[in-house]
Amino acid sequence: GAGVSQSPRYKVAKRGQDVALRCDPISGHVSLFWYQQALGQGPEFLTYFQNEAQLDKSGLPSDRFFAERPEGSVSTLKIQRTQQEDSAVYLCASSLADSYNEQFFGPGTRLTVL
Amino acid sequence: DAKTTQPNSMESNEEEPVHLPCNHSTISGTDYIHWYRQLPSQGPEYVIHGLTSNVNNRMASLAIAEDRKSSTLILHRATLRDAAVYYCILRDRNNAGNMLTFGGGTRLMVKP
Repeated sequence: GAGVSQSPRYKVAKRGQDVALRCDPISGHVSLFWYQQALGQGPEFLTYFQNEAQLDKSGLPSDRFFAERPEGSVSTLKIQRTQQEDSAVYLCASSLADSYNEQFFGPGTRLTVL
Repeated sequence: DAKTTQPNSMESNEEEPVHLPCNHSTISGTDYIHWYRQLPSQGPEYVIHGLTSNVNNRMASLAIAEDRKSSTLILHRATLRDAAVYYCILRDRNNAGNMLTFGGGTRLMVKP
């Protein structure tokens, strides 16, 4: 079956531009996570949704970062007024409800801010 | 979540077994030990997890020390496709929705 998909795969933005990154989770997966991965480092948690409810946004680095999942399926991570330090790979993962067994990751979106 | 410690990198020869160690001396009784790996230019993928007993699946084996303060991921016959960064992660079984806390991981290089 289809896995987690993300779009675009690559995004180049000029400093100060707004960007929107999309995540299509596996159908039926209740939980959705966003992670940020800087070059050469492990992924770091940004935010977590259960259905449409954003239950944890403690990892969002600033108020320029905003995530939504209005219908409990597709999610969008928006970054306003991008800065060079926002350059990273943004990973989305989904999992079944009440499952601590496995998170399924998408391929990520590589964001480069010039 | 309790912290894990892994070597930065390891090398292996193709078709030989690989033992990837992880120390987690502050593990709590409700922490599961999870392993994920990340192949180049891909998102992480689940490998295996366990609580106390050793575990086997089609990808790997997980050997857990009796005191649970360390564990070892075992790839029985490394292939070139196993070259990746391997992450050892602790997850609290009482918090089903919690995120994964990745450390630096171990970069495994496989030589032909």
